[in-house]
Amino acid sequence: AQSVTQLGSHVSVSEGALVLLRCNYSSSVPPYLFWYVQYPNQGLQLLLKYTTGATLVKGINGFEAEFKKSETSFHLTKPSAHMSDAAEYFCAVSEAPSSASKIIFGSGTRLSIRP
Amino acid sequence: KAGVTQTPRYLIKTRGQQVTLSCSPISGHRSVSWYQQTPGQGLQFLFEYFSETQRNKGNFPGRFSGRQFSNSRSEMNVSTLELGDSALYLCASRDTGTVTGELFFGEGSRLTVL
Repeated sequence: AQSVTQLGSHVSVSEGALVLLRCNYSSSVPPYLFWYVQYPNQGLQLLLKYTTGATLVKGINGFEAEFKKSETSFHLTKPSAHMSDAAEYFCAVSEAPSSASKIIFGSGTRLSIRP
Repeated sequence: KAGVTQTPRYLIKTRGQQVTLSCSPISGHRSVSWYQQTPGQGLQFLFEYFSETQRNKGNFPGRFSGRQFSNSRSEMNVSTLELGDSALYLCASRDTGTVTGELFFGEGSRLTVL
C-alpha cells in the first residue's frame, strides 16, 4: 500500500533562508504526488502536484518540488523564506495514478520562520 | 466558483451523543472525501463518496458513517461519541474529470467531545 513519510515534524528557518521540507513515499505504481499547506484554522490548500513528465514542479508562493524516483522522494523547497510561509505542510500520494484513487497524507511538518 | 463549505464550523458534544456534519462541494464536483485531523494521528482518511456511492473507505469503526445526496452534498455522522473523536473533520471535493483529481478542502468542522 502507498504511504508517505515526512521527516521532521517541526522545521524552523530564518527569514530569507532556504526552506527544505522532506517527503519520502512508498508506492508500487508510478505515483501522483502532492504538497498541501494549512494555515491556522483553515483547510488545506494545494501548493503543487506531480503526475508525469518534468520532475521539477513549480507551485504557488515560490515553492517547488522535485520528484526523484531513485530516491522515492518529493522534497519541497523555497529559496527564501518569508514570514507568511509559517504554516503546516503536508505531502500526499495517490494510491494509484487515477483521479478516483484515495489520497494518503503524511503526518505533516510545521514550518516556523524566525525574524 | 464558491469553495467547499462545511457546517457547522465548531461544535461541542458530550460522550454518548451523536453528531452530523455537512459538506457542500464545489459546483460540478461529484466526489466528496472526509478526513479526520488530530494532533497525534495527523490526517486520517474516513471515506469518499462519488455519485451517492461510497467508493473508498478508511479504517474507522462503524460509528463513523456518511452519505451523499443527489446534489453531491455530503453528510457524515458519528454515533456514540467518545472523547477520542475530538478532532477537526475536513471535507474535500474533487473533480474526477481531471488527470489527478486533486482535493479541494473546506475549512473544517471542529468537534469537541466532553
